[in-house]
Amino acid sequence: GQQLNQSPQSMFIQEGEDVSMNCTSSSIFNTWLWYKQDPGEGPVLLIALYKAGELTSNGRLTAQFGITRKDSFLNISASIPSDVGIYFCAGAQGGTYKYIFGTGTRLKVLA
Amino acid sequence: EAQVTQNPRYLITVTGKKLTVTCSQNMNHEYMSWYRQDPGLGLRQIYYSMNVEVTDKGDVPEGYKVSRKEKRNFPLILESPSPNQTSLYFCASSFLLAGYNEQFFGPGTRLTVL
Repeated sequence: GQQLNQSPQSMFIQEGEDVSMNCTSSSIFNTWLWYKQDPGEGPVLLIALYKAGELTSNGRLTAQFGITRKDSFLNISASIPSDVGIYFCAGAQGGTYKYIFGTGTRLKVLA
Repeated sequence: EAQVTQNPRYLITVTGKKLTVTCSQNMNHEYMSWYRQDPGLGLRQIYYSMNVEVTDKGDVPEGYKVSRKEKRNFPLILESPSPNQTSLYFCASSFLLAGYNEQFFGPGTRLTVL
């Protein structure tokens, strides 16, 4: 099945550093979503993007919907220990509610 | 409390023994979906439902069945489980509004098929 290419696969960063991760696809998506999953729990939606070029913030998180509709990135500024987890991007194509998820970026924050 | 519940949370079974994983939501959501999560593969959509009696295949539907007889429930059925269906399963639900995609996920069901 189709998957999104998400990078990096994992990151180890120092507390206070900024983090950037991205997702690319060979297909066009009408919606890009970013989720965070804590250990032992289901994913939780962080940011949803609905228009090409859209830049949206949620606290220390900022995400952008690529102009080509084939990519998206997520930035986390001034990371803190509770940012630890797995971050997933997901895309939905026009006219469908069929979601494609990325393979995840595992983030570890060193205090 | 608004939530998506799944049962059981953990299940160990043997090849070929039919099983059902239940999913229920109390938010009056039209949309419900099942995913499986495997290491290195992220989440892959199995089936989804836009409303009662309306279901459709996701990316990896083989070996699974679903039904949506009531709005709140969306069970996942494995008629003849095989070891390659060992995985972590998530149910999710959301409203079905144009441009609104916040899916709420359940806590997950870890299934092992021996």
